[in-house]
Amino acid sequence: AQSVTQLDSQVPVFEEAPVELRCNYSSSVSVYLFWYVQYPNQGLQLLLKYLSGSTLVESINGFEAEFNKSQTSFHLRKPSVHISDTAEYFCAVSDEGFKTIFGAGTRLFVKA
Amino acid sequence: NAGVTQTPKFRILKIGQSMTLQCTQDMNHNYMYWYRQDPGMGLKLIYYSVGAGITDKGEVPNGYNVSRSTTEDFPLRLELAAPSQTSVYFCASTLGNTIYFGEGSWLTVV
Repeated sequence: AQSVTQLDSQVPVFEEAPVELRCNYSSSVSVYLFWYVQYPNQGLQLLLKYLSGSTLVESINGFEAEFNKSQTSFHLRKPSVHISDTAEYFCAVSDEGFKTIFGAGTRLFVKA
Repeated sequence: NAGVTQTPKFRILKIGQSMTLQCTQDMNHNYMYWYRQDPGMGLKLIYYSVGAGITDKGEVPNGYNVSRSTTEDFPLRLELAAPSQTSVYFCASTLGNTIYFGEGSWLTVV
């Protein structure tokens, strides 16, 4: 069975500082990995995904995540955060089928 | 393009009442899902469907029912509402491995 563990429930950080949101997964088959972002009172939006190929994937707003198979991790990073990045971030894993399992979420709070 | 549309956005139910959360998508996606989101718990899959006429249970199906008579619609029914069903419900559909979510339905059972 697949599972996703997000190691931090909340991450406070100052504006323009770097941030890393940690995600570990377990699966017995090949996986696809995702990060979703949820702004207050909204649904989840895809931030970035790893399906195959390069292990480093990037989003259009400066986030990146690296798939590390040996450590079964898919940590999300941004070198300089903005106030507008304040949101909840969900790591998710999907097998070669269609069922996606989500982590419990990490609340990123960017302070001025 | 409306994407995934859920109604109602907010609802308060009394214990034992029943209701249906509506979900429709206009992207012709075969796969559709219902998730519930509880604080600190992430999203839990309630039911899913791989196409019209086909549904299956997810992680937390008890207390819910679904149907999928058309590709577009995937309603979620609560037959006997319980306080444990107070949650935020998200309908979603997929194209490939990317999930498209509705904006959520906030349900409170009192």
